[in-house]
Amino acid sequence: DAGITQSPRHKVTETGTPVTLRCHQTENHRYMYWYRQDPGHGLRLIHYSYGVKDTDKGEVSDGYSVSRSKTEDFLLTLESATSSQTSVYFCAISERSSRTYNEQFFGPGTRLTVL
Amino acid sequence: GESVGLHLPTLSVQEGDNSIINCAYSNSASDYFIWYKQESGKGPQFIIDIRSNMDKRQGQRVTVLLNKTVKHLSLQIAATQPGDSAVYFCAENQGGSEKLVFGKGTKLTVNP
Repeated sequence: DAGITQSPRHKVTETGTPVTLRCHQTENHRYMYWYRQDPGHGLRLIHYSYGVKDTDKGEVSDGYSVSRSKTEDFLLTLESATSSQTSVYFCAISERSSRTYNEQFFGPGTRLTVL
Repeated sequence: GESVGLHLPTLSVQEGDNSIINCAYSNSASDYFIWYKQESGKGPQFIIDIRSNMDKRQGQRVTVLLNKTVKHLSLQIAATQPGDSAVYFCAENQGGSEKLVFGKGTKLTVNP
């Protein structure tokens, strides 16, 4: 998985509780992404980061926040989890230098269940 | 809005046959495309990519063809093996964008 780890790999939580998912990379890539994957929807971008402390919203960012204090770590926080946020969450990284395009490599995923 | 799509949601082939998985895109500004393979319970795995200045690119047992005239992308897998069973989806990148747009995927089943 291209030097990408995600933690936890599985989590069950209750509605209204805060949840933080972590993505850690050892590739020193500049770009990091958080996606959710749901049946019938494919991969949808939640937030992404283009550098330390530089982040932007994706298409499904409501209810989520992110932080990136170090190049290697990108955190996704659900401030108050809802059942609609039950999903599989994937982190991806990309370098996007002048020699490469937007090749994104994915982590193993986190399965989150909100009861 | 414009998005990447797929012609077939499922494809079943015999072991040893060649497989062709198709993808249609509608954004003429897209200049980079990727095929991913996703096995059950795992993250998407990068297979092969192609830039819009190319029509064909080959990898190990895989070939990607790009037809910009009809906005069509295909992934060909030669001598398909049981280990190729997975969901395959394409992704497009519009020039200069940090974002990829993903199709919903085609499930490939390889029968022994």
